[in-house]
Amino acid sequence: AQKVTQAQTEISVVEKEDVTLDCVYETRDTTYYLFWYKQPPSGELVFLIRRNSFDEQNEISGRYSWNFQKSTSSFNFTITASQVVDSAVYFCALSEADTGTASKLTFGTGTRLQVTL
Amino acid sequence: NAGVMQNPRHLVRRRGQEARLRCSPMKGHSHVYWYRQLPEEGLKFMVYLQKENIIDESGMPKERFSAEFPKEGPSILRIQQVVRGDSAAYFCASSLRDGSYEQYFGPGTRLTVT
Repeated sequence: AQKVTQAQTEISVVEKEDVTLDCVYETRDTTYYLFWYKQPPSGELVFLIRRNSFDEQNEISGRYSWNFQKSTSSFNFTITASQVVDSAVYFCALSEADTGTASKLTFGTGTRLQVTL
Repeated sequence: NAGVMQNPRHLVRRRGQEARLRCSPMKGHSHVYWYRQLPEEGLKFMVYLQKENIIDESGMPKERFSAEFPKEGPSILRIQQVVRGDSAAYFCASSLRDGSYEQYFGPGTRLTVT
C-alpha cells in the first residue's frame, strides 16, 4: 500500500533563510506521480508541482525547487530566501498508476512552515 | 476562469441531522474527488467520481456517507445522521483526466456537528 511520510511536523525559520521540506514515499508501482500542495492559513489547497516516476529531473520555479530521487524514494522541496508569505502547511502526495488509471492522492501529514521576520 | 466551487463554506448541523456538501468542478473537468481533513491532520481520500459513475469509493465510511456526480449539476457528498466525529473540513478536487493529473482543490466546507 502507498504511504507518504513527512517527518518534519513543524519548521521555523527567519526570513531569507533557505529551508528544505522532506518527503519520503512508499509504493510498489513503477508508474506513479508525486505532488506538492501548499495550505496557507486561509485553508485552501494550492497546487505547486506534479512529477511522474519516469522523470527524475530536478525542477526550479522561482524560489522553489524540487529534488526527486528514486534511489531514496524522496521528493524534497526547497524554498530559497524564504518570505513571511511562505508560512503555510505543505503537503506531499502520491498517486499510483500501475493499473492504468490513477485515482486518489495519498497525502503526508504535512509540514507546518513558520517564517518570521 | 472559475476554479472549483464548494458550498456552503461553513455548515453547522446538530447530531442526527443530514449534511449535504456541494462541489462544482473547474470548467472542462469531469473527474471529481472528495477528501476529508480532520483537525491538525492531513487529507484522507474518500471517493472518486466521474459523471454518473463512482470510480473508487475505498475511502468512504461504510455507513451514512454517500456521493454522487449527476449528469447535470454539482457533485454532492451526503452525510446522514451526523455525529460529532464527522466534524472536519471536506475538500473537493477536480482534474482534467484521472488522478495522474494535478487535482485542483476547492476552498473546502467546514462541517461542525454540535
